[in-house]
Amino acid sequence: GAVVSQHPSRVICKSGTSVKIECRSLDFQATTMFWYRQFPKKSLMLMATSNEGSKATYEQGVEKDKFLINHASLTLSTLTVTSAHPEDSSFYICSARGLAGNEQFFGPGTRLTVL
Amino acid sequence: GQNIDQPTEMTATEGAIVQINCTYQTSGFNGLFWYQQHAGEAPTFLSYNVLDGLEEKGRFSSFLSRSKGYSYLLLKELQMKDSASYLCAVMDSNYQLIWGAGTKLIIKP
Repeated sequence: GAVVSQHPSRVICKSGTSVKIECRSLDFQATTMFWYRQFPKKSLMLMATSNEGSKATYEQGVEKDKFLINHASLTLSTLTVTSAHPEDSSFYICSARGLAGNEQFFGPGTRLTVL
Repeated sequence: GQNIDQPTEMTATEGAIVQINCTYQTSGFNGLFWYQQHAGEAPTFLSYNVLDGLEEKGRFSSFLSRSKGYSYLLLKELQMKDSASYLCAVMDSNYQLIWGAGTKLIIKP
């Protein structure tokens, strides 16, 4: 159990376009979802925390108007990278936490390349 | 501030044992996690310690000492597939995970 999926797994887009990444908890209800970014050979960087039905809490330095997060249901959260630029190219990973326990379950990640 | 320290890189031999240490200073403590991350993949959960002592799970064991702000991950009978980064993370008083930079473990035959 506790499976989290992410879609797409890989996306290449042109500079200036917007990209939406979906994160779904498949067999549990995720009261909280987390979005991370990871650059090559670097640690995970938390971007934002979202609770179902409320606005996301962004970490310092993360532009909320550029990285739009929606957590509309207990099984789905989306991250939209608006007006993407090459420096936004990274590995984006979501994780989800349910009602029981403190463990976070990670999605497989989305590799974004902005040309 | 909050801080998680773990070695950047370690090398070990196939079949041997390796211990990866993690020390932490956080505002509050609601448990310590170890995750394994292979290159290009998302982290996968290995262990969770909230009480002092050793938790054993197959070839992997994790130890915690809250008074010392210290944990270690012990990997026995190392296999080549164990080559990965091992991430230590502490859940603080706000139930946020504070991540270490990860320890890259290289297994040599």
